[in-house]
Amino acid sequence: GAVVSQHPSRVICKSGTSVKIECRSLDFQATTMFWYRQFPKQSLMLMATSNEGSKATYEQGVEKDKFLINHASLTLSTLTVTSAHPEDSSFYICSASLGATSYGYTFGSGTRLTVV
Amino acid sequence: GQNIDQPTEMTATEGAIVQINCTYQTSGFNGLFWYQQHAGEAPTFLSYNVLDGLEEKGRFSSFLSRSKGYSYLLLKELQMKDSASYLCVPMDSNYQLIWGAGTKLIIKP
Repeated sequence: GAVVSQHPSRVICKSGTSVKIECRSLDFQATTMFWYRQFPKQSLMLMATSNEGSKATYEQGVEKDKFLINHASLTLSTLTVTSAHPEDSSFYICSASLGATSYGYTFGSGTRLTVV
Repeated sequence: GQNIDQPTEMTATEGAIVQINCTYQTSGFNGLFWYQQHAGEAPTFLSYNVLDGLEEKGRFSSFLSRSKGYSYLLLKELQMKDSASYLCVPMDSNYQLIWGAGTKLIIKP
């Protein structure tokens, strides 16, 4: 079946540094990918919608200069957390639509980011 | 506004049946998903309902009543591995997924 590969699964970085998270669609092309953030015991929160070949659409309250999204190909989207702070520590998850709504959205395995 | 109402937590016994109810309010409606999420992992797709009625898929079934803004997920023959959070996720008129905190299901031997 369709798989979304996300890595790294875990990353620890120092405050002020940048971290890049990659999300790849395997065996299918994803024109649109979604980036979520989830804090412990809370719901998934959509951060941005990533469209291949164009600028990402950010949700209200999400800083586009801090969370850089690049979707240069139909199989790869990246999220870069720039100048990370401890409050950016969270679980970041990407997802992609499989085309038909009835197939749902498939998710990457998530990235646990800890900023120290 | 848009909101989802599910029990925060439920407990059931291995081998039994459990029904997780969900009521929702959205701006328009384009179907409803149920996802399973184990602690520390990403959600996995369980089902999608867009028309009223029951969709059965193995041990899991999902029901939808659009007029009532109501859905449920029925899990049969519960196994320990079914311990997870279950997320009722409606899609609004803009095809945006509306996420709540879900129901944490605890399975006891």
